[in-house]
Amino acid sequence: AQTVTQSQPEMSVQEAETVTLSCTYDTSENNYYLFWYKQPPSRQMILVIRQEAYKQQNATENRFSVNFQKAAKSFSLKISDSQLGDTAMYFCAFMKNSGNTPLVFGKGTRLSVIA
Amino acid sequence: DSGVTQTPKHLITATGQRVTLRCSPRSGDLSVYWYQQSLDQGLQFLIQYYNGEERAKGNILERFSAQQFPDLHSELNLSSLELGDSALYFCASSGSGSWGTDTQYFGPGTRLSVL
Repeated sequence: AQTVTQSQPEMSVQEAETVTLSCTYDTSENNYYLFWYKQPPSRQMILVIRQEAYKQQNATENRFSVNFQKAAKSFSLKISDSQLGDTAMYFCAFMKNSGNTPLVFGKGTRLSVIA
Repeated sequence: DSGVTQTPKHLITATGQRVTLRCSPRSGDLSVYWYQQSLDQGLQFLIQYYNGEERAKGNILERFSAQQFPDLHSELNLSSLELGDSALYFCASSGSGSWGTDTQYFGPGTRLSVL
């Protein structure tokens, strides 16, 4: 079974600064996807970024980028130029690449962006 | 807006009762997933349907059941409700059939309060 660990229950960052959220996972699979989802106070689950394990290039989406280290089974999220709207719970998630399979989530990191 | 809809937004009921949560996936998506988010258990996968057929089962109680209808909408039935069933229930959809369509998009959730 796969497990996802987020070791930072809470973090804070000053507006306009950069912050990195950590995620490690355990799997015996070779092909899989990794995701970061954001859950703001509205409780909506919003996809932030996705990474395919077979791709060596780290995914980026505007101010969000990942550092994917397959051998170390590490998948951190970097948020640059933090904005107040980035305040949210951030969940790291794993999905096996065997066609539409369920997500396995970490317990989340609560990020507060301070003005 | 993810394109996934869930009704109702909020549900307040008493112990021992039965409720039905409804989910409409994004247009063209064939897979529907149900997740439960509670304070102590985090985000847990309950069950998945693909094009009307049950595809995977997670930590779903025997008191809970689900189905996916020919128009692809899904319903999650929760019966003999207990206080511990109070949670946020998410529906997600994925899989329009082409490559790279495994990403799951979440609905806004149904908040269930059992009193």
